[in-house]
Amino acid sequence: EAQVTQNPRYLITVTGKKLTVTCSQNMNHEYMSWYRQDPGLGLRQIYYSMNVEVTDKGDVPEGYKVSRKEKRNFPLILESPSPNQTSLYFCASRHRDGYTFGSGTRLTVV
Amino acid sequence: GIQVEQSPPDLILQEGANSTLRCNFSDSVNNLQWFHQNPWGQLINLFYIPSGTKQNGRLSATTVATERYSLLYISSSQTTDSGVYFCAVKYGQNFVFGPGTRLSVLP
Repeated sequence: EAQVTQNPRYLITVTGKKLTVTCSQNMNHEYMSWYRQDPGLGLRQIYYSMNVEVTDKGDVPEGYKVSRKEKRNFPLILESPSPNQTSLYFCASRHRDGYTFGSGTRLTVV
Repeated sequence: GIQVEQSPPDLILQEGANSTLRCNFSDSVNNLQWFHQNPWGQLINLFYIPSGTKQNGRLSATTVATERYSLLYISSSQTTDSGVYFCAVKYGQNFVFGPGTRLSVLP
């Protein structure tokens, strides 16, 4: 079964403590992306990757990093999280029939 | 960039009623999907429908790409249909979401 797996599902952290949200897909898709969802602002793209070692900024990349060392994994890195990065995060991969999203990671930065 | 609008923003139904949700987009697209975000926040893919009509049980969708809109039909609604329904379109390397329609189905 096609799957996009994110971990963790929930995370509470403190300002400035580096964290990584992992994302993996088992479908050999080339394209992967990260989104954040905020009340009143909807879902916005953070970063995307067209293939291994190819990444690019989306609409709201500030404060985030990504890497794509292998096709199946696309981690989202917050080097120094701040409270305005409290949000619901989604990873997605793209295929012939559209996009598949992970279950989401609810991040709270205090 | 492309604009994606959805209507109505909120909808309250009695269980068993039918409804139609609309998605308008401002430019040509070659990928449109409908999602249901359940109360736990998960985005469930309902339809990949860049054009034409598809049906899946009580749900069906129609996209008229030349007129830049898509419709999602929910028949015989159930309380488990509650949540937010999003349409999203591929535009360049972005996947742009509409603001959603919040559906509440009352028992």
